[in-house]
Amino acid sequence: GNSVTQMEGPVTLSEEAFLTINCTYTATGYPSLFWYVQYPGEGLQLLLKATKADDKGSNKGFEATYRKETTSFHLEKGSVQVSDSAVYFCALSLPTGGGADGLTFGKGTHLIIQP
Amino acid sequence: ETGVTQSPTHLIKTRGQQVTLRCSSQSGHNTVSWYQQALGQGPQFIFQYYREEENGRGNFPPRFSGLQFPNYSSELNVNALELDDSALYLCASSLDSRGSGNTIYFGEGSWLTVV
Repeated sequence: GNSVTQMEGPVTLSEEAFLTINCTYTATGYPSLFWYVQYPGEGLQLLLKATKADDKGSNKGFEATYRKETTSFHLEKGSVQVSDSAVYFCALSLPTGGGADGLTFGKGTHLIIQP
Repeated sequence: ETGVTQSPTHLIKTRGQQVTLRCSSQSGHNTVSWYQQALGQGPQFIFQYYREEENGRGNFPPRFSGLQFPNYSSELNVNALELDDSALYLCASSLDSRGSGNTIYFGEGSWLTVV
């Protein structure tokens, strides 16, 4: 079946450090890939997405490139801020059934940024 | 602010009872999906409704059921509650279920505790 694997957390970094959160996927077909962020006490917010191989999604200084050859969609940011502290979820969606199979999420990576 | 609103925000139920959770989708969105997020886990897809019909379902038993109304708002009903049903229930809306790359917007969720 389809699955998403993320690096285990928590990930603790100092402010202005470089961030990488690894995400790999297994899917039958060609999925669209997403990163969602969940701040404490809030719902999920779409951070960025990519719908085909080699696409790069970017938003708020975060970026991720859809790598079909390595089935990966790693999230990166050059300089993190305390306000980036949250849980980050990698997810995929397949076109099969018109997207009606929903999103498949990873378990989430808790990011903690220290001043 | 995604425009997806859920109610109630928190509730406590006793094992064996039934619960109804409600969701108003973002204006103009005709597709609603529901997810269950257990503590420390990623969301899991329950089902999706497109134009008042269920058109996708995850690995959840029939005691999880739903409705979508002509104004595209939705309900999630869970019968015969079990302790393991304790979770955050997320509603999400999108413009069209046809296409895996559509952006899905999440509400802040309803926290259900079963005792």
